Amino acid sequence: TQLLEQSPQFLSIQEGENLTVYCNSSSVFSSLQWYRQEPGEGPVLLVTVVTGGEVKKLKRLTFQFGDARKDSSLHITAAQPGDTGLYLCAGGYSGAGSYQLTFGKGTKLSVIP
Amino acid sequence: DVKVTQSSRYLVKRTGEKVFLECVQDMDHENMFWYRQDPGLGLRLIYFSYDVKMKEKGDIPEGYSVSREKKERFSLILESASTNQTSMYLCASSFRRGGSTIQYFGAGTRLSVL
Repeated sequence: TQLLEQSPQFLSIQEGENLTVYCNSSSVFSSLQWYRQEPGEGPVLLVTVVTGGEVKKLKRLTFQFGDARKDSSLHITAAQPGDTGLYLCAGGYSGAGSYQLTFGKGTKLSVIP
Repeated sequence: DVKVTQSSRYLVKRTGEKVFLECVQDMDHENMFWYRQDPGLGLRLIYFSYDVKMKEKGDIPEGYSVSREKKERFSLILESASTNQTSMYLCASSFRRGGSTIQYFGAGTRLSVL
């Protein structure tokens, strides 16, 4: 079973602070997705990264895929209460029959006004 | 926009009842999935289907079955509900784009078994 380790598991910060969430594996992935899940809702896709070293920006969120495609990070600048939620990373594989994603357990972020 | 619709947001059932959770997607995706999500355990795959009438066991299939009679619909069945099946159930559908598998989720069904 391929594993994705996310850290930290919990994060509580003040509004306006910066933060970074990490997603690490010993396996190589062909792609990596980040999702945000609000309480009582399903995960919503934020971004997909597919190239080693790739950096994508989504407003105040910056996503990076490691050069070896084994790890990823999510950096939030000037966090706002609306960023509160569970952040999940998920790794995918290439090749025929590769339907599944491997999910990390998530980082629960609380941004305090 | 991709839409994955789960029939119920909240369900309360009694131990021993047969429970049906329905999921419909409107994007003609080949693959559909059922997960359960529990605190500290993350998302765990119960079953998935890569085509009509095809199904594959995930990591925790015991106590569950599935049905996929039409491409857009994937049902999860709890044959005899038990209290340890109280959980958040998430349905997803997926497609492949440029070597990536992209999954889209429904809003979830929170099931309580009393």
